[in-house]
Amino acid sequence: QSALTQPRSVSGSPGQSVTISCTGTSSDVGGYNSVSWYQQHPGKAPKVRIYDVSKRPSGVPDRFSGSKSGNTASLTISGLQAEDEADYYCCSYGGTYWVFGGGTKLTVL
Amino acid sequence: EVQLLESGGGLVQPGGSLRLSCAASGFTFSSYAMIWVRQAPGKGLEWVSSISGSGGITYYADSVRGRFAISRANAKNTLYMQMNSLRAEDTALYYCARITVATFDPWGLGTLVTVSS
Repeated sequence: QSALTQPRSVSGSPGQSVTISCTGTSSDVGGYNSVSWYQQHPGKAPKVRIYDVSKRPSGVPDRFSGSKSGNTASLTISGLQAEDEADYYCCSYGGTYWVFGGGTKLTVL
Repeated sequence: EVQLLESGGGLVQPGGSLRLSCAASGFTFSSYAMIWVRQAPGKGLEWVSSISGSGGITYYADSVRGRFAISRANAKNTLYMQMNSLRAEDTALYYCARITVATFDPWGLGTLVTVSS
């Protein structure tokens, strides 16, 4: 149940693209296609942006996309907008547990 | 509208106990597994525990196993977390969320637990 590894921070200018990585193990990220990504603005509850590695819930802009290769999942946000500035967390199912990443602070310059 | 509302948080001394509740509305509660996630002040999200729709299957994080107990009352559309032997490191905002298609949606607003003497 060790936390997934994410970069502490990423940044980008409006209109650019950023990618956030999330590294786990073969017991979680690599073993299941159940990786999800959550966006959290300060003082707010998290909201899902991506589930099942690459699926977007209804209402989530197609600027958000997800992928996975081996034990590493990635979230890409294209066409950055000011409102994308937030903390992002990945999460993976591990059979008998769930595990989150440490979180990545996205700054829109 | 699907809604989750946590309650029961507060200030408790180390070694004490609290019971959190999560009232659900807007969906067939018994059809969904549920989860508790916590967030210590200024820190990231941590999975605490999850429970199946029937209540018959439960899982716990290593950090709380043996001290916390998750349960649900489907007739009351309510999820619970009994927290015993509380420690300072349990201080956090505790969220409940519905598990749907291997993701957590929606989340409640959270209830704050502070463990301090």
